[in-house]
Amino acid sequence: EDQVTQSPEALRLQEGESSSLNCSYTVSGLRGLFWYRQDPGKGPEFLFTLYSAGEEKEKERLKATLTKKESFLHITAPKPEDSATYLCAVANQAGTALIFGKGTTLSVSS
Amino acid sequence: DAGITQSPRHKVTETGTPVTLRCHQTENHRYMYWYRQDPGHGLRLIHYSYGVKDTDKGEVSDGYSVSRSKTEDFLLTLESATSSQTSVYFCAISDPEQKSFFGQGTRLTVV
Repeated sequence: EDQVTQSPEALRLQEGESSSLNCSYTVSGLRGLFWYRQDPGKGPEFLFTLYSAGEEKEKERLKATLTKKESFLHITAPKPEDSATYLCAVANQAGTALIFGKGTTLSVSS
Repeated sequence: DAGITQSPRHKVTETGTPVTLRCHQTENHRYMYWYRQDPGHGLRLIHYSYGVKDTDKGEVSDGYSVSRSKTEDFLLTLESATSSQTSVYFCAISDPEQKSFFGQGTRLTVV
């Protein structure tokens, strides 16, 4: 069964304190791994797609990496506005719908 | 922003009544989805559509039906609402690379 597990469930950081979020997956033929950001009361917002092991994508303070079993979302020198829930999802060979993890809620305090 | 509109944004309804949620897209994408999001469960797929009148069940489809009579509209119906269907519902569309874009959500409360 295809599955996505995110850790930790919640993460509290001080402004400027870098850290990483983990997304472990088991999937029948990975067609893509996706990272989303979700703010309270809003729909998920697309951040990155990764397609193959070794691939990396960057956007401002965020950097996503991918191995054959997991993905990391690295947050460098976070700011309070980076506070949100970060969701990881995978697309399998069937290609019907994304399979989501439960998310990591990040809180960054100044 | 991807052109997805959900309506209504908030609804309170009574147990046993039918409820229909609407999703409208302006992107002409083939695939559309309905998810529900609950604390501790994350996003779970209810139903999806891969074309006009082409739909299939997702992980949590019991008690829900869908219809898609036009490319741009995807309707989710709760046939007889129950308290367990109190949730936040998200519509999504995906491009050919499976990148999904989400609506703003509908908060449904069944009392």
